[in-house]
Amino acid sequence: DTGVSQDPRHKITKRGQNVTFRCDPISEHNRLYWYRQTLGQGPEFLTYFQNEAQLEKSRLLSDRFSAERPKGSFSTLEIQRTEQGDSAMYLCASSWQGAGYEQYFGPGTRLTVT
Amino acid sequence: AQSVAQPEDQVNVAEGNPLTVKCTYSVSGNPYLFWYVQYPNRGLQFLLKYITGDNLVKGSYGFEAEFNKSQTSFHLKKPSALVSDSALYFCAVRDMNNNNDMRFGAGTRLTVKP
Repeated sequence: DTGVSQDPRHKITKRGQNVTFRCDPISEHNRLYWYRQTLGQGPEFLTYFQNEAQLEKSRLLSDRFSAERPKGSFSTLEIQRTEQGDSAMYLCASSWQGAGYEQYFGPGTRLTVT
Repeated sequence: AQSVAQPEDQVNVAEGNPLTVKCTYSVSGNPYLFWYVQYPNRGLQFLLKYITGDNLVKGSYGFEAEFNKSQTSFHLKKPSALVSDSALYFCAVRDMNNNNDMRFGAGTRLTVKP
């Protein structure tokens, strides 16, 4: 399967712990996006990379969140000192560069903070 | 900033009947418009997009959508619904002049009854 993959699919953690998620995009795509989706809502943009450069961050991305894309391939999203409000589905997507290109989404990582 | 409204949380149709899922948008410039579908425990799947050209665009699984600039709408349609079309549908918009930020609607749950 050459689609976008995410790992893990589910993560349960206790409040205050750090978590890290991984996304492997479609290999030809140079753009990689992170979104957060809560129940009953559409995906909310968090950040995106063009190759290895992180070009934009949403105001939703607090200081506890950090994302990396070393070497312009896979990406990681880390949440430090998790809070119950961080419980959500974290989606990764990739695309070619350009506003007209559709994004291809991974299956998501569901985070539950207890 | 761009925004999307999906005025119906839920749409119910009988199998074989036509279906419409509504979407209206707001952008300062010219819009790029997208429809995605989300099945349970799956990531979002791209259905179709409007970039330029013919206002009627055709996509996957027999879906089509009509871009109406005067009404700022991009409704999703299908002539004959299938039970397997039951899913969550998201409309998304990007401003052509701001190619980083894609805004999604809150989603419409389509239920097709046999």
